[in-house]
Amino acid sequence: DAGITQSPRHKVTETGTPVTLRCHQTENHRYMYWYRQDPGHGLRLIHYSYGVKDTDKGEVSDGYSVSRSKTEDFLLTLESATSSQTSVYFCATGTGADTGELFFGEGSRLTVL
Amino acid sequence: GDSVTQMEGPVTLSEEACLTINCTYTATGYPSLFWYVQYPGEGLQLLLKATKADDKGSNKGFEATYRKETTSFHLEKGSVQVSDSAVYFCAHTGTASKLTFGTGTRLQVTL
Repeated sequence: DAGITQSPRHKVTETGTPVTLRCHQTENHRYMYWYRQDPGHGLRLIHYSYGVKDTDKGEVSDGYSVSRSKTEDFLLTLESATSSQTSVYFCATGTGADTGELFFGEGSRLTVL
Repeated sequence: GDSVTQMEGPVTLSEEACLTINCTYTATGYPSLFWYVQYPGEGLQLLLKATKADDKGSNKGFEATYRKETTSFHLEKGSVQVSDSAVYFCAHTGTASKLTFGTGTRLQVTL
């Protein structure tokens, strides 16, 4: 295992409130990713990071922001949660090598009421 | 743009039956191809991969061959077990070390 922990694992919140999900890794991987998993859509990339303070948008980035101030931590923030952001969020890490293998956390289930 | 298309699930099989899950992809260049598996309540984990045309990836009795001419990477297993019940995702590399995933195929294996 790549030593990836996500917190919180479960969260219920109300529309309009801010939410931050944390991903912590112990493998010193350069790349970190946030995906959301929804029925019928599989995994969709929200944001990713290719180094400390270096981030970029994925295919479904609207309504989300990220920060990476240390190699081991990658935060995903929903500034004002909406019901459409109810999902399971997965953090992943990778070395960035062409092998493309990613290592996933166990997921964070977010429910926005 | 880049995409991965997998067969719809769920796929329900009896133990010891043969499995094929189809996967085709659209990508520029020559991507690496992957199958990831997600067991209930867990994150995804790499099952197998192939990095160039005609390569065969294999693991735990599962196999998939990189077919460039048909842009396919079908997952096969000769005899499934109840413990293989999971969701299977096909994926390929894109730009900036990102992976593009298919929608996943749920496999249920019964006794």
